Amino acid sequence: NAGVTQTPKFQVLKTGQSMTLQCAQDMNHEYMSWYRQDPGMGLRLIHYSVGAGITDQGEVPNGYNVSRSTTEDFPLRLLSAAPSQTSVYFCASSYLQGPHEQFFGPGTRLTVL
Amino acid sequence: GQQVMQIPQYQHVQEGEDFTTYCNSSTTLSNIQWYKQRPGGHPVFLIQLVKSGEVKKQKRLTFQFGEAKKNSSLHITATQTTDVGTYFCAGRGGGATNKLIFGTGTLLAVQP
Repeated sequence: NAGVTQTPKFQVLKTGQSMTLQCAQDMNHEYMSWYRQDPGMGLRLIHYSVGAGITDQGEVPNGYNVSRSTTEDFPLRLLSAAPSQTSVYFCASSYLQGPHEQFFGPGTRLTVL
Repeated sequence: GQQVMQIPQYQHVQEGEDFTTYCNSSTTLSNIQWYKQRPGGHPVFLIQLVKSGEVKKQKRLTFQFGEAKKNSSLHITATQTTDVGTYFCAGRGGGATNKLIFGTGTLLAVQP
C-alpha cells in the first residue's frame, strides 16, 4: 500500500503558467480533497470529491480546477498561476462511511514568482 | 459558511507542563477530528469524536466534544519534547455536507 501519493514534491512557476498537481490513492477511498496550507491560516479546503464524477467547492476554490474520473486519482489544476497561490498543497483521502480518518499525502511545495 | 477557530495560535511550555488547545465551530458539527502535524510533515490523524459530551483518552492526551457539538478541546498532560508540532481540529457539518473544515491550528513548542 502506497497510501496517498503526490507529485511533484516541489515546483516553481512563473506568474501566468498553468500546471497540474497529481494525487493518487490506492485505498479505494471515496472521499478525496485538496487543501492549501499557509502560515497562520491552517489548512484551507480548496475542492473535494465524494466519488468518481462528483466534485464540489471548498473554502478557497478560485483559480483551481479539479476532476475525478477514477476513484484513485484527483488532480488539481492551476489555470493561471499567481503569487498568491504560493503555498504547500496537501491531498487527502478517506472512506465516506466509518471512522472518516483522513490520510494525507506528503505535500507539494509550490512557489509562484 | 462553516468556520472553525482554534486558540491559542501558539503555546510554549516547559517539558512536564500541561497543554490545552480549544476548537470552536460556527455551526453544529456531526463529528470532530484531531490531527497532529510535525514540523515539515503532513497532518496525521489522532482521533474522532462523534457523540455530544464525548471524552476519549489516548495515554497523556484527552479529547472532549462539547454538549452542543460546536466545540472541542485537546489536553496533553505532562508534555514531552515528542509532543512538539501543530495540532488541528477538523469538523464536518451535519446534513448533506461532507466537507471537512480544518481549524487554524495550535503550534506547540516544548522546551526541555
